[in-house]
Amino acid sequence: DVKVTQSSRYLVKRTGEKVFLECVQDMDHENMFWYRQDPGLGLRLIYFSYDVKMKEKGDIPEGYSVSREKKERFSLILESASTNQTSMYLCANFPGTLVRLAGGLANTGELFFGEGSRLTVL
Amino acid sequence: AQTVTQSQPEMSVQEAETVTLSCTYDTSESDYYLFWYKQPPSRQMILVIRQEAYKQQNATENRFSVNFQKAAKSFSLKISDSQLGDAAMYFCAYRNLEGYNKLIFGAGTRLAVHP
Repeated sequence: DVKVTQSSRYLVKRTGEKVFLECVQDMDHENMFWYRQDPGLGLRLIYFSYDVKMKEKGDIPEGYSVSREKKERFSLILESASTNQTSMYLCANFPGTLVRLAGGLANTGELFFGEGSRLTVL
Repeated sequence: AQTVTQSQPEMSVQEAETVTLSCTYDTSESDYYLFWYKQPPSRQMILVIRQEAYKQQNATENRFSVNFQKAAKSFSLKISDSQLGDAAMYFCAYRNLEGYNKLIFGAGTRLAVHP
């Protein structure tokens, strides 16, 4: 089974602090994602990466940056935390891309999640 | 852009009964994936069931089944013989086959199961 580990389950930071959220996967999966989960809004994509040193903005990248120096590690960075960044942050990954082959798709399309990091910014 | 709508913020069911969670989506694509994910309290999100859009047959996984209506863009989840362990947030999600396979999630439905 894929294991996705997020370094901190709970963090409390002050406004203006720099925050690092770490995510490590133990499988050789190309695609990694950072989502933010808020009540009534579901999960919203912040950033994703499809390869080492590659990154793409998701739907809500403002105020965030990411780093992917190694395939297994994808970090989310809040350069200057603000109270509106108080949220649950979920890391996820996905092995490769969906490819249609004879007889069906090449993989399941399943996304594997970490346990989440609940960040409170005071 | 694709969107996913879950119109039921909260649902409840009696243990051993059946409950249906609703999901609609909007897309101009003809081929895509749909998912239901479960997030138990303080635990990680896990996949419950998935449906490939090109398959007409509804997916089934033990007590969980879907009613996939492609023309109506509807994808509901039925939980039969509900158990206390089914209590969780349930998220409907959509993924294109093209691009980088981003998942688009609905707002979620919180399911309570009463003994």
